[in-house]
Amino acid sequence: GAGVSQSPRYKVAKRGQDVALRCDPISGHVSLFWYQQALGQGPEFLTYFQNEAQLDKSGLPSDRFFAERPEGSVSTLKIQRTQQEDSAVYLCASSGTGQNIQYFGAGTRLSVL
Amino acid sequence: DQQVKQNSPSLSVQEGRISILNCDYTNSMFDYFLWYKKYPAEGPTFLISISSIKDKNEDGRFTVFLNKSAKHLSLHIVPSQPGDSAVYFCAASANSGYSTLTFGKGTMLLVSP
Repeated sequence: GAGVSQSPRYKVAKRGQDVALRCDPISGHVSLFWYQQALGQGPEFLTYFQNEAQLDKSGLPSDRFFAERPEGSVSTLKIQRTQQEDSAVYLCASSGTGQNIQYFGAGTRLSVL
Repeated sequence: DQQVKQNSPSLSVQEGRISILNCDYTNSMFDYFLWYKKYPAEGPTFLISISSIKDKNEDGRFTVFLNKSAKHLSLHIVPSQPGDSAVYFCAASANSGYSTLTFGKGTMLLVSP
């Protein structure tokens, strides 16, 4: 497809479980961003990749959060030992070289019980 | 502290009238501003943007105005249509080499027939 693809769309996890969220960006986009959107809030930055390099992870809330993009295309956001406060929509966005506009996927809604 | 503020959580207008959505920011380093539109269960969709070197940008029914001295921008939709009903997010980026976006909390627009 032409857009950013995220999977799964919905994920229910028990507290303490590990989860992995996948993002497939627009083909050729070098920049990839992860955001977290809590209920009633705007998206908040988590981490940024340029190709395979993770250049900014200042928004990751704890060391339980880990992201990778090993081949500079698909990215995975992993959350270890999930907590209730991790419940949110996780959005992935990509942009082309020199572009200010980010294109978002539909997100993964994570519910931690 | 919120660097991008959308002080109106919701706005209701009648079809055919003008919708005006407002956004204020505090960080003087922001130099690029975007509006995104979000339908339920979908990701944010880019709508229109403006660089800080301009004070107005127009695209069809959508116009964004930027007042740098007041650190204020607004999105005008005219005429409003029922299909415009969605949550609108204001976002800003600073020239940091890559464009991490800082979002407001969003304004829910309801356009009634």
